[in-house]
Amino acid sequence: AQSVTQPDIHITVSEGASLELRCNYSYGATPYLFWYVQSPGQGLQLLLKYFSGDTLVQGIKGFEAEFKRSQSSFNLRKPSVHWSDAAEYFCAVGTRPNDMRFGAGTRLTVKP
Amino acid sequence: NAGVTQTPKFRVLKTGQSMTLLCAQDMNHEYMYWYRQDPGMGLRLIHYSVGEGTTAKGEVPDGYNVSRLKKQNFLLGLESAAPSQTSVYFCASKRRETGELFFGEGSRLTVL
Repeated sequence: AQSVTQPDIHITVSEGASLELRCNYSYGATPYLFWYVQSPGQGLQLLLKYFSGDTLVQGIKGFEAEFKRSQSSFNLRKPSVHWSDAAEYFCAVGTRPNDMRFGAGTRLTVKP
Repeated sequence: NAGVTQTPKFRVLKTGQSMTLLCAQDMNHEYMYWYRQDPGMGLRLIHYSVGEGTTAKGEVPDGYNVSRLKKQNFLLGLESAAPSQTSVYFCASKRRETGELFFGEGSRLTVL
């Protein structure tokens, strides 16, 4: 069955520390891959996406993600976290435009 | 630059009542979606539309109906609300060229 897993429900990091949020998927073919961010009381905003080509993709707000086919993963990273990065992060995958599935989300807390 | 607008933003219903959520987008997108967001479950697709006059079922369609009479509007209806439909509902439209979803700010529905 097709699925998206974000193993970490909640992560706390100190401001200025590095961040990695994990995303694993189970699909029959290489899917389209996305990371979205949701601030409290808001809708979701696209951080970055991978369709094909270079497996390291850059997004907004200093985020990047790496697609690893062998591990079926698409982990999100940021070298230095800012307090404003506190939010919930969702990984999304799909093989067709109308087959996008979202992970359960990872809530990020940033300590001063 | 409104983007995707959802109304109402909050609503409390009694079991058995009906209501309609309205989604409007001003980006001329063909694809529109309704998701529900529940704690620990991410976003789940209720219904979607690939163009004016078309609708299709998503992952969790039971208890909901939709209509897309105009390209810019996508309505989600609950004919007989149940407590299990207490959730936050998000509408999204998609830019076909990039696959990016644009989300509204959400509609919080409570069914007593």
